[in-house]
Amino acid sequence: KQEVTQIPAALSVPEGENLVLNCSFTDSAIYNLQWFRQDPGKGLTSLLLIQSSQREQTSGRLNASLDKSSGRSTLYIAASQPGDSATYLCAVKTGTASKLTFGTGTRLQVTL
Amino acid sequence: EAGVTQSPTHLIKTRGQQATLRCSPISGHTSVYWYQQALGLGLQFLLWYDEGEERNRGNFPPRFSGRQFPNYSSELNVNALELEDSALYLCASSLGGRLYEQYFGPGTRLTVT
Repeated sequence: KQEVTQIPAALSVPEGENLVLNCSFTDSAIYNLQWFRQDPGKGLTSLLLIQSSQREQTSGRLNASLDKSSGRSTLYIAASQPGDSATYLCAVKTGTASKLTFGTGTRLQVTL
Repeated sequence: EAGVTQSPTHLIKTRGQQATLRCSPISGHTSVYWYQQALGLGLQFLLWYDEGEERNRGNFPPRFSGRQFPNYSSELNVNALELEDSALYLCASSLGGRLYEQYFGPGTRLTVT
C-alpha cells in the first residue's frame, strides 16, 4: 500500500527566503507525482506534474525534483512571498487505479 | 477555458438523509475522480469514473455511490448520512489514461448535523 509523507508539517519563513518542502513515498512504482497548493477551505490548484521518467519540472519560482528510486520529491520555492502562504500537498499515482495518494501536507506561512 | 465546477458550494443535511453532489469536468476530459477531505484525515480517494463506467473505488462503504453521465459530468450520492461524513468533497477531472494531470474543482462542503 502506497504511503506518502510530507515534512515538515508546518513552516514559517520571512518573505524573500528560498525554501524546500519534502515528500517521500513508500512504493517507487509510480506513474507520476503532482504538487498542489490548497488555500483554507478551498479546492486544490495543481502546481507541477512530474512523470516517472522525469527528474524535475519548473514553473516560475517553483522547481520540483523527483528521485523515484529513493522515493523522494522536493518542491523548491524561490524568493517566497506572503501570497505563497497555503498548504502544499504532494500526491502520487500508483498502480492501475489511476487514483492519487496524498500526503498530509505542509502548511506554509510567509511573513512580512 | 472553464475549469472543473462543483455544485452546490455548501450542503447541510441531517443524519440519515441523502446528499447529492455534482461535478462538471473540463471540456474534453473523460475521467472524473471524487475525493473526501475530512478534518484530520487528509484527502482520501472515493471513486473514479471513466467513459461512463465506474473504474475503481476507495475504501468507503456502499452508501457512497455515483455515476457518470454521457456528457462526462458526474454525481456523487451519499445515503444514510452519518456525522462523520461531514467533509469537503473534491472532484477532479483528467484526460483518459494514467499519465495525465488531475485538475480539481473548488469542492462541496457537506455538513451533517
